[in-house]
Amino acid sequence: NAGVTQTPKFQVLKTGQSMTLQCAQDMNHEYMSWYRQDPGMGLRLIHYSVGAGITDQGEVPNGYNVSRSTTEDFPLRLLSAAPSQTSVYFCASRSRTEDYNEQFFGPGTRLTVL
Amino acid sequence: AQRVTQPEKLLSVFKGAPVELKCNYSYSGSPELFWYVQYSRQRLQLLLRHISRESIKGFTADLNKGETSFHLKKPFAQEEDSAMYYCALLHQGGSEKLVFGKGTKLTVNP
Repeated sequence: NAGVTQTPKFQVLKTGQSMTLQCAQDMNHEYMSWYRQDPGMGLRLIHYSVGAGITDQGEVPNGYNVSRSTTEDFPLRLLSAAPSQTSVYFCASRSRTEDYNEQFFGPGTRLTVL
Repeated sequence: AQRVTQPEKLLSVFKGAPVELKCNYSYSGSPELFWYVQYSRQRLQLLLRHISRESIKGFTADLNKGETSFHLKKPFAQEEDSAMYYCALLHQGGSEKLVFGKGTKLTVNP
């Protein structure tokens, strides 16, 4: 299994541009989440999904959209990038049925908005 | 509202010394708590979870419901323990959100 994969690894955007961060998992996990990691702020939940077709907002959803058309994929869209969205973004997935609720993380996407 | 507090942003100890990373939580239900670790340039990974009552890499953590704490402890720190540590709480019964504290950066000096 590849686990949780994210593309791209690095991205530089100009203010106002849009882009999609890709996330995929091959473990057939029901739950998927997007976090952003900022110095001194820890990991903050942006959006999450408990299954295909179902998404909900986390702590910091503004400026981001998600969709979950398949179990495997959970893309994060930045509609109009702002410098405040400069961050490292992590995607994660978790099984609903396995014991212990371990969450698996992707390698991260480092985004810079100029 | 559920909340995870890690009061120390930075913690520095010498090799061989005991280490304790603090985590406090607020949650109205029965909490499910975790410690995640992020080594330099690596992805986050699960270190341990309270329900399994395990010891991983010499680390243990006990859930204290009275003090609403889940502190991470190791009796003898090693240089390879230097990393970012995050305490996390799973909100069960509905939203299934996993919420993290702000993290503690542990440095173990030789």
